[in-house]
Amino acid sequence: GAGVSQSPRYKVAKRGQDVALRCDPISGHVSLFWYQQALGQGPEFLTYFQNEAQLDKSGLPSDRFFAERPEGSVSTLKIQRTQQEDSAVYLCASSLVGGGGARETQYFGPGTRLLVL
Amino acid sequence: AQTVTQSQPEMSVQEAETVTLSCTYDTSESNYYLFWYKQPPSRQMILVIRQEAYKQQNATENRFSVNFQKAAKSFSLKISDSQLGDTAMYFCALRGNAGGTSYGKLTFGQGTILTVHP
Repeated sequence: GAGVSQSPRYKVAKRGQDVALRCDPISGHVSLFWYQQALGQGPEFLTYFQNEAQLDKSGLPSDRFFAERPEGSVSTLKIQRTQQEDSAVYLCASSLVGGGGARETQYFGPGTRLLVL
Repeated sequence: AQTVTQSQPEMSVQEAETVTLSCTYDTSESNYYLFWYKQPPSRQMILVIRQEAYKQQNATENRFSVNFQKAAKSFSLKISDSQLGDTAMYFCALRGNAGGTSYGKLTFGQGTILTVHP
């Protein structure tokens, strides 16, 4: 019955370091989304998985960003060679099924706050 | 492309009073869904209310209701009997028909910070 969890909750990285952010969706949820939220702004879409398939990665800002969900459950967002502009809160959301029906409420995790120095 | 605009960066209201948060949007899709999410300082985004565009009746969830004006592409949130726990950032969001290429991703507005004063 647990909600979406993310780890770590806070991450400080030096510019140029690689980071990995983890998302554990609600058990049984097919769809998983990653969003980036800059300070004082609304979240912006990064990428979408349906089970293990990455169906949309149009929001990834550069090829330094990579996401995977190899077994259709836990997902990892990896950022290589971090830059200061990558500082943001990274939110993960999951929903029960793929598709656009009324059951498609997205449930959000608490986010990972990334600070790149 | 879909856009969502919230023109009120900050709002405040006295406890027990009513407040309305504004949202306008633009989309080329004929079928879509609109949402209001609440993000308290702890940052966990929580769904407040949902509206399906093909339904003319305005959605209501306890003290929360919407005024959905499809022709004007307007979707405002009314909070009645405001409570201290309503203090949060509120986001309006749009989701297209996931049968298309949007796969159900949400497009968010910039947010409105609501403060409820005792």
